[in-house]
Amino acid sequence: DARVTQTPRHKVTEMGQEVTMRCQPILGHNTVFWYRQTMMQGLELLAYFRNRAPLDDSGMPKDRFSAEMPDATLATLKIQPSEPRDSAVYFCASGLGTGPYEQYFGPGTRLTVT
Amino acid sequence: EDQVTQSPEALRLQEGESSSLNCSYTVSGLRGLFWYRQDPGKGPEFLFTLYSAGEEKEKERLKATLTKKESFLHITAPKPEDSATYLCAVPGAGSYQLTFGKGTKLSVIP
Repeated sequence: DARVTQTPRHKVTEMGQEVTMRCQPILGHNTVFWYRQTMMQGLELLAYFRNRAPLDDSGMPKDRFSAEMPDATLATLKIQPSEPRDSAVYFCASGLGTGPYEQYFGPGTRLTVT
Repeated sequence: EDQVTQSPEALRLQEGESSSLNCSYTVSGLRGLFWYRQDPGKGPEFLFTLYSAGEEKEKERLKATLTKKESFLHITAPKPEDSATYLCAVPGAGSYQLTFGKGTKLSVIP
């Protein structure tokens, strides 16, 4: 049963600390997306990659967020330093195709910054 | 700017009481409209893609329809297990990204 996996599932940290979230996309999928979900804003796209190359990260606060794909089986989202307003659920999704198409989401990382 | 608006924000139905959820969009050159289901504590789960006005897709008690300005998700004789938040999305300015609506939270009461 192919699925997107994310670690950790929950993270509580203090303001100013570094947070790293990891995602393993579905094997063979060539596009990976990072989203953030809050009650107020809903699902917001932060960044996405195709064939490991970053295509768009305009949704991310550049001064503190960074996203990478060191290899085809791992995507990372890092926040440094973290702030209370970063508290949200972060989802990774992957897909396969050459245009807009269905994306398959992981279970999310619930981040709380105190 | 592309926009996706879903209504109502929340909907309570008695088991067996059919209804519809709405997703209206403003985007030039629609390249698909996507419906997802999200259960509490989980990631969105893909349901349907619609590509052209008049198209319909069905899955169990759900049927999605598309016009030039909006999409409807019809729920026929819902059961409590249909309770979830239903999200719709349209492709954004980029080639691959999706812009999501804020969802409709459906509660089906036994």
